[in-house]
Amino acid sequence: EIVLTQSPATLSLSPGERATLSCRASQSVSTYLAWYQQKPGQAPRLLIYDASNRATGIPARFSGSGSGTDFTLTISSLEPEDFAVYYCQQRFGWPRTFGQGTKVDIK
Amino acid sequence: EVQLVESGGGLVQPGGSLRLSCAASGLTFSSCWMNWVRQAPGKGLEWLANIKTDGSEKYYVDSVKGRFTISRDNAKNSLYLQMNSLRAEDTAVYYCARSDYGGYVTYWGQGTLVTVSS
Repeated sequence: EIVLTQSPATLSLSPGERATLSCRASQSVSTYLAWYQQKPGQAPRLLIYDASNRATGIPARFSGSGSGTDFTLTISSLEPEDFAVYYCQQRFGWPRTFGQGTKVDIK
Repeated sequence: EVQLVESGGGLVQPGGSLRLSCAASGLTFSSCWMNWVRQAPGKGLEWLANIKTDGSEKYYVDSVKGRFTISRDNAKNSLYLQMNSLRAEDTAVYYCARSDYGGYVTYWGQGTLVTVSS
């Protein structure tokens, strides 16, 4: 099983600041990694797929990068609605696995 | 509009069984890989199982292999999860989900809560 480790666990930032979230895989997943956003009481939403492709309707302030074992989700300038939990997920191997999540909260 | 509506959750005793259903609409169900993903209270996401468009391939996470069975009925646009030998640690919200782009979830249901407790 491919283990995804996200860091930090919590990121405390102010609106307008840049957020940088990390996801590290226990083995190479090529570029087969996605990022999701989840707000309280809601199902997750796909933001980025295959490491760097924005999903439909996702604002340009969200960007993804990386390959192999190290990946980054960047939110260029935090909007109030961006404070949420973010998960990475790989589709390189079975079973599909998620990271444990990074909470972005308001400083 | 794609809609995935789960049902069948509830309270069950340890060792018991439950069958979850997911009714799909607004999509060509028979062309979709479908998944079950769960989230324990206050915890992260756990992918459980998925099933190919025609049901010919199924994959499971080890923690549910041999206890849970994913199935589908394309004529009824429905996805199922038969859960046996339930444990307290299976307590979670269970999401029905469609995957695209080779294996990422693009649509989620609202989730159904399963509580395993005596």
